[in-house]
Amino acid sequence: DAGITQSPRHKVTETGTPVTLRCHQTENHRYMYWYRQDPGHGLRLIHYSYGVKDTDKGEVSDGYSVSRSKTEDFLLTLESATSSQTSVYFCAISGLGGNEQFFGPGTRLTVL
Amino acid sequence: KQEVTQIPAALSVPEGENLVLNCSFTDSAIYNLQWFRQDPGKGLTSLLLIQSSQREQTSGRLNASLDKSSGRSTLYIAASQPGDSATYLCAVQGGNTPLVFGKGTRLSVIA
Repeated sequence: DAGITQSPRHKVTETGTPVTLRCHQTENHRYMYWYRQDPGHGLRLIHYSYGVKDTDKGEVSDGYSVSRSKTEDFLLTLESATSSQTSVYFCAISGLGGNEQFFGPGTRLTVL
Repeated sequence: KQEVTQIPAALSVPEGENLVLNCSFTDSAIYNLQWFRQDPGKGLTSLLLIQSSQREQTSGRLNASLDKSSGRSTLYIAASQPGDSATYLCAVQGGNTPLVFGKGTRLSVIA
């Protein structure tokens, strides 16, 4: 399995609080992605990174920001969490933009 | 905008049966197509990646085919086993666009 870890694995928080999710990889892959998975919607891209400090928006980026200061870490921040952001969040990596993607174990986030 | 459809949404088969999962996409200008498996409460496991220049890929009992011109891919599973029970996801990628996922087919293999 690709060396991808996500932390925390589960989190319950309250509306209006800031939340940061971390993705860490040991594969030295250039591309990193954040997705959310919701019933009826499937997997949707939030943000992605194509290098250190290089990021771009995905399909559902509103309310989320990201940062990548090191190759191995990609952070997803919810500045002020809302109930609509309750979801399972997955991180993925790939060596190049068109290469095979490998996924982390996911973080289940509940916003009350 | 690329759209990916997987039919059926759920499938139940007896153990030992050969089966086919279908994936269709609206824009044939893809760079690659990837099949994943997801077990309940788990992340996605990559099964097969087919580049746009390829027609099929095989891994063990799995065979994935790609017909770009018709916007279709199939995942063939031979001699199904209860351990194959999972949700199977198809995703396509354009040249400068990220992966677009289908909603998956939930497979149950009954012993």
